[in-house]
Amino acid sequence: QSVLTQPPSVSGAPGQRVTISCTGSSSNIGAGYDVHWYQHFPGTAPKLLIYGNNNRPSGVPDRFSGSKSGTSASLAITGLQAEDEADYYCQSFDSSLSGVFGGGTKLTVL
Amino acid sequence: QVQLQESGPGLVRPSETLSLTCPVSGYSISRGYYWGWMRQPPGKGLEWIGSIYHGGSNYYTPSLKSRVTISVDTSKNQFSLKLSSVTAADTAVYYCARSTYYGSTPYFDLWGQGNLVTVSS
Repeated sequence: QSVLTQPPSVSGAPGQRVTISCTGSSSNIGAGYDVHWYQHFPGTAPKLLIYGNNNRPSGVPDRFSGSKSGTSASLAITGLQAEDEADYYCQSFDSSLSGVFGGGTKLTVL
Repeated sequence: QVQLQESGPGLVRPSETLSLTCPVSGYSISRGYYWGWMRQPPGKGLEWIGSIYHGGSNYYTPSLKSRVTISVDTSKNQFSLKLSSVTAADTAVYYCARSTYYGSTPYFDLWGQGNLVTVSS
């Protein structure tokens, strides 16, 4: 059972907007730690998608955006494309001095 | 171009020690950054194992802390993971990665491809 809670799956049609939630607690996100997001195609190296709640590394399209409020965070993907079909993970830090991940969300493009 | 690639046996017997190394090319570990390990059990999500700074300070996830050692070898420009007393529950794809910070929160900006380790007799 992961420390951060994500929906197991989300789906959307090409061109649509989808959001993925990430819920933590007062010992991690609510304690002021930031949230990062990764995109993972099975069998490959995970890729940093968003860091520091809402910052995109070079090369990540601006269709991807993040936000954080209270003990939760969200990843939004606009203009959904078939190539976005992947697993998405949120990550933060905990007052136990350990990194924590969400359980992952599988995005299906219909 | 900085690259990381996990290296180690794909099969470990129960109760033995799992050992993996992560050679780094294109960047000198002694220059900085933290370096970490994650794993993904079959059908499950990512799990943080721990991180180490080249100077030696490290963080381990509490649930594995008693069995984990992460170390850095600057002479070989690589870092390593040792997980003792393994069981079938330790079967996973193990990833090494480079870590940096946003404020007080670490994140991983560069990952290896992953190394499947199966624990079985």
